[in-house]
Amino acid sequence: ETGVTQSPTHLIKTRGQQVTLRCSSQSGHNTVSWYQQALGQGPQFIFQYYREEENGRGNFPPRFSGLQFPNYSSELNVNALELDDSALYLCASSPGTSYNEQFFGPGTRLTVL
Amino acid sequence: AQTVTQSQPEMSVQEAETVTLSCTYDTSESDYYLFWYKQPPSRQMILVIRQEAYKQQNATENRFSVNFQKAAKSFSLKISDSQLGDAAMYFCALSWTNAGKSTFGDGTTLTVKP
Repeated sequence: ETGVTQSPTHLIKTRGQQVTLRCSSQSGHNTVSWYQQALGQGPQFIFQYYREEENGRGNFPPRFSGLQFPNYSSELNVNALELDDSALYLCASSPGTSYNEQFFGPGTRLTVL
Repeated sequence: AQTVTQSQPEMSVQEAETVTLSCTYDTSESDYYLFWYKQPPSRQMILVIRQEAYKQQNATENRFSVNFQKAAKSFSLKISDSQLGDAAMYFCALSWTNAGKSTFGDGTTLTVKP
């Protein structure tokens, strides 16, 4: 069974650019959540996707958007990057929205210069 | 709104000893779930233990146990017989819907001394 994978591992962007981060959920999982983890802080919930529909959103501006595909993989898109967007972005999958366990990927480290 | 507070930024323990990590939370919901996660230096977050708020019995997973005090909104993690591999950042998290919409604390860095 393949776990949650994320790509790329690291990337560097400049302020104002756009970025797309990718996540492949664990086999059989139809729910994906995205989190932002700034240095020295805990993860903050960005949004969740369930069966290709957004299923809840945290306190993040609209320039943070997402997609979930029929195979349940997911993308996080961030437009007009700001310096404060520099963080570790974590993806987590679970078998459903009523399931009380989530499985995390290794994360993507985004640096905005 | 729900909040999670971990008041111990850093803790250390001697190998084979016991350590307790503290967590307090606030929520207006009567039914919710609490979690402890471990994030080793390699970054991949893993679930250590979870507790359903409606269950009075404290959860236990091998060397890991919790002390859940619902009235006090306290959820501490006890690690017994600490091992070098327990060294990591530990996060307390809360969710009233599903695990994927959790609110996390800012973590406690645990150092295990040989």
